[in-house]
Amino acid sequence: DAMVIQNPRYQVTQFGKPVTLSCSQTLNHNVMYWYQQKSSQAPKLLFHYYDKDFNNEADTPDNFQSRRPNTSFCFLDIRSPGLGDAAMYLCATVDGLGDTQYFGPGTRLTVL
Amino acid sequence: QKEVEQDPGPLSVPEGAIVSLNCTYSNSAFQYFMWYRQYSRKGPELLMYTYSSGNKEDGRFTAQVDKSSKYISLFIRDSQPSDSATYLCAMQPAAGNKLTFGGGTRVLVKP
Repeated sequence: DAMVIQNPRYQVTQFGKPVTLSCSQTLNHNVMYWYQQKSSQAPKLLFHYYDKDFNNEADTPDNFQSRRPNTSFCFLDIRSPGLGDAAMYLCATVDGLGDTQYFGPGTRLTVL
Repeated sequence: QKEVEQDPGPLSVPEGAIVSLNCTYSNSAFQYFMWYRQYSRKGPELLMYTYSSGNKEDGRFTAQVDKSSKYISLFIRDSQPSDSATYLCAMQPAAGNKLTFGGGTRVLVKP
């Protein structure tokens, strides 16, 4: 059974049109991460939550925002997507020991 | 210089061969080392997890960590076509810290 679920799996948007990606988890983990992964590159951390405590990476563009309304759900909002934002977006959660990240299947974003 | 270096490949081997992957790193504070497998258009899947130096074996997979050389390895024995994927190394200084990833090595196992 899927433990970290991401929807949609594929998202197409237009240049400048806001888009929201969602992540849910059935593991009740209190830490959740959002990563951006471009083709043939390592995942790049955008931000993470420890419970509702939000932590933004210094180089995450202002164009990217996130919401976590409860333990199970987390959203990534891209306010004005540019062509350079086309990528795979990965959500991950961390278990109680904090040493194992479980990744979702990712959402592949295309910007036209 | 990147904190974690990993040869991007592709690494092509015949079925049944041993696949040898490695990463080097510069931050001596790293204590936890992982290997993830990522199939095309899927999220990374944790394969191996090692704390500090030493070897760890799980089925056909063996992970080695040499902290003195800042070098980690993953070996896949009796490789199968289903092992064809990108393999990412990742590490962190302490549990709960953010992961630092290598760029990934693409592996192709030919039948």
